[in-house]
Amino acid sequence: EAGVTQFPSHSVIEKGQTVTLRCDPISGHDNLYWYRRVMGKEIKFLLHFVKESKQDESGMPNNRFLAERTGGTYSTLKVQPAELEDSGVYFCASSPSGRNPESFFGQGTRLTVV
Amino acid sequence: GDSVTQMEGPVTLSEEAFLTINCTYTATGYPSLFWYVQYPGEGLQLLLKATKADDKGSNKGFEATYRKETTSFHLEKGSVQVSDSAVYFCACANQAGTALIFGKGTTLSVSS
Repeated sequence: EAGVTQFPSHSVIEKGQTVTLRCDPISGHDNLYWYRRVMGKEIKFLLHFVKESKQDESGMPNNRFLAERTGGTYSTLKVQPAELEDSGVYFCASSPSGRNPESFFGQGTRLTVV
Repeated sequence: GDSVTQMEGPVTLSEEAFLTINCTYTATGYPSLFWYVQYPGEGLQLLLKATKADDKGSNKGFEATYRKETTSFHLEKGSVQVSDSAVYFCACANQAGTALIFGKGTTLSVSS
């Protein structure tokens, strides 16, 4: 069974550009999470989908970040326009239905904004 | 708010040495606690967990005991191997029990 897959693995963009990260969760997992690790700091929660609905987006830094999960399958996280402080590793995770914080993680997308 | 504090790294050990990585948490109530590991080039993997006080999680020779008195969940291994070189993250469940709160991660490097 395929694990959580993230695309791209690396992205380097200029400040002001737009980037879209994609996450394919484990098939059948209702819960999908986005987390971010800025260099040397904690991995921080961004948001949580249950199927296609945003359950908790309290960790989203600002309105330059937009997450979607069309049809309750894959998810995208768009950053527009990107700023230098958005650089970091973005992790996607998924878990089966129910209250289930224990998640399966993808390899992450390393985003560098220059 | 809830938070997790783990010892700063990097931790450098020789093969077969004893490992301890300290982790303490601040939270309301008694959240589930986790250790995740990230091997080079890979995503995070759940290493072990404990869901209530005095529970001991164990996996691959690693152990951690949920201590509510000291709000700690220290990771230990009696004899590390080169293949244990990785970044280790301590985490607790948030108040709603729906997401994870992580520490900063501790890089472990084991040499032969």
